[in-house]
Amino acid sequence: EAGVAQSPRYKIIEKRQSVAFWCNPISGHATLYWYQQILGQGPKLLIQFQNNGVVDDSQLPKDRFSAERLKGVDSTLKIQPAKLEDSAVYLCASSLTRGGFSEQYFGPGTRLTVT
Amino acid sequence: AQSVTQLDSQVPVFEEAPVELRCNYSSSVSVYLFWYVQYPNQGLQLLLKYLSGSTLVKGINGFEAEFNKSQTSFHLRKPSVHISDTAEYFCAVSDWRGTALIFGKGTTLSVSS
Repeated sequence: EAGVAQSPRYKIIEKRQSVAFWCNPISGHATLYWYQQILGQGPKLLIQFQNNGVVDDSQLPKDRFSAERLKGVDSTLKIQPAKLEDSAVYLCASSLTRGGFSEQYFGPGTRLTVT
Repeated sequence: AQSVTQLDSQVPVFEEAPVELRCNYSSSVSVYLFWYVQYPNQGLQLLLKYLSGSTLVKGINGFEAEFNKSQTSFHLRKPSVHISDTAEYFCAVSDWRGTALIFGKGTTLSVSS
């Protein structure tokens, strides 16, 4: 079974530029998550999708971050414009269902450096 | 609101020694508890989870954890570590409402010979 795929793996941009990350979850997984992991900290949820609907985006900085999950499969996370504090690893995860007992499977992450 | 506290940011141990990584949580509802491991430049991998039932949970790579409701703890243990166990370990909590995982800040386990 293929795991969660993410691209690109690494990205370096200058502040005020825009960037987009892509995630392909495990086939059949209804729930998709984007987490932000700043160096030295645990991952923090940015947005949670159930199929193609948003369940929780309370911690997403909506003035600069946006995300979509077209057709309830792939997802894209965008930052525009980027700030220095956005430097982090962006992790995508998916689970079969929304229940807290449903194991989340993580992709390898995209490491973003904003200069 | 839920929260997770990992009491040690770094734990250095020698190979074949036992290790315990400590985790405490706070929640107003019943919780599910998880330990994840993250190797350099990789995503998170589930080590073990507590959903219900037996409070002693066994996971992969010889790790185990014990859920203690009265002390709101979920400490991770391994009786004998290997060099290959060197990694970052995260404790996380969620609940029946389907909220996303809330993670601790992580513990860096460094195993040396």
